[in-house]
Amino acid sequence: NAGVTQTPKFQVLKTGQSMTLQCAQDMNHEYMSWYRQDPGMGLRLIHYSVGAGITDQGEVPNGYNVSRSTTEDFPLRLLSAAPSQTSVYFCASRLQGMNTGELFFGEGSRLTVL
Amino acid sequence: KQEVTQIPAALSVPEGENLVLNCSFTDSAIYNLQWFRQDPGKGLTSLLLIQSSQREQTSGRLNASLDKSSGRSTLYIAASQPGDSATYLCAVMEYGNKLVFGAGTILRVKS
Repeated sequence: NAGVTQTPKFQVLKTGQSMTLQCAQDMNHEYMSWYRQDPGMGLRLIHYSVGAGITDQGEVPNGYNVSRSTTEDFPLRLLSAAPSQTSVYFCASRLQGMNTGELFFGEGSRLTVL
Repeated sequence: KQEVTQIPAALSVPEGENLVLNCSFTDSAIYNLQWFRQDPGKGLTSLLLIQSSQREQTSGRLNASLDKSSGRSTLYIAASQPGDSATYLCAVMEYGNKLVFGAGTILRVKS
């Protein structure tokens, strides 16, 4: 049982470059989300999705795009990377119902923007 | 805006001690509260989930309580072990499908 899989684990970009962080889950979870984790600030929600074809913004969505074409995949796109986007990114998923809120996390993707 | 605060920011204890980690939140309109553990360079592992209608949850040496009216939760770890060393985060699930995290407590258990 793979759970939540994120790729790549590490990435270095130059300012202005674009890239996509991949996230896949095999638990048939409707809800998927992306967080960034910065020192002293905890995790902050970037975007989330409650099902295929549905996405919404979180706390810090600027500079990031998402799409949800399948239940399994939820990629995060950086169109023009900035040094402020240097962070560790986590994808998480769960069942959609509010009373089944246990969140399952991937191992993280560490991004450095020079 | 919901704010989640965790105290202390860091804690160092000798092996075998019982300890309490604190989490407070500003808006009591939550669905649930979840405690996570994060090891260095790793993702988050769910430890305990307390629904808003519940007062506490237990798993092994861990016990988490929730007082929604006062905006507080505690994570109690009994008979701490060096393997418990990690960062512990609490998070509240708000109406609107958003999980808001605290900054975490870094725990070190010395052998």
